[in-house]
Amino acid sequence: EAQVTQNPRYLITVTGKKLTVTCSQNMNHEYMSWYRQDPGLGLRQIYYSMNVEVTDKGDVPEGYKVSRKEKRNFPLILESPSPNQTSLYFCASTRQGTGELFFGEGSRLTVL
Amino acid sequence: AQTVTQSQPEMSVQEAETVTLSCTYDTSENNYYLFWYKQPPSRQMILVIRQEAYKQQNATENRFSVNFQKAAKSFSLKISDSQLGDTAMYFCAFMKGETSGSRLTFGEGTQLTVNP
Repeated sequence: EAQVTQNPRYLITVTGKKLTVTCSQNMNHEYMSWYRQDPGLGLRQIYYSMNVEVTDKGDVPEGYKVSRKEKRNFPLILESPSPNQTSLYFCASTRQGTGELFFGEGSRLTVL
Repeated sequence: AQTVTQSQPEMSVQEAETVTLSCTYDTSENNYYLFWYKQPPSRQMILVIRQEAYKQQNATENRFSVNFQKAAKSFSLKISDSQLGDTAMYFCAFMKGETSGSRLTFGEGTQLTVNP
């Protein structure tokens, strides 16, 4: 089954404690991205990657890092989380030729 | 930069009736793609319908259809014969240029409730 898998689905952490949200896709897509969803703001892109070792900033990259060492994986790293990073996070991969995004199930992150 | 606006934060409709969700966008691009995504309470993002800007014909997917007005930069979603399972947050989204996966810009979302 074609899918994008994110972990963890839920996480409560404290300010400053580094965390990583993993993302993996099994569709051999080159393009992957991370979004955060906040009420009244829709989804905003954090970072994207066009292929292995190729990443770039989206609209709201501050406080986040990413890496793309393998085609299937695109982890999101919060080096020093702060309360304003409390949000719902989505990883997505894109089918070339159609632009259709396939989303993971979302990761609800709370930073205290 | 592109912007997408959904001016209806909430809407409701009776089961079996028709409802239209509004979306407007602003861009200087001529080649782009527009999408409607649905997010039910499960939080999963589900593609509802997709429209290429170069196509004049409005896209349809079963009970879902769009009214794409390129000159007016409007992209509304019509849901016919509404069902309880259509209750969800709906997001309009814009993608410029070639479909290599460039940035998707989302609207704020419209919460649709279908009442029995």
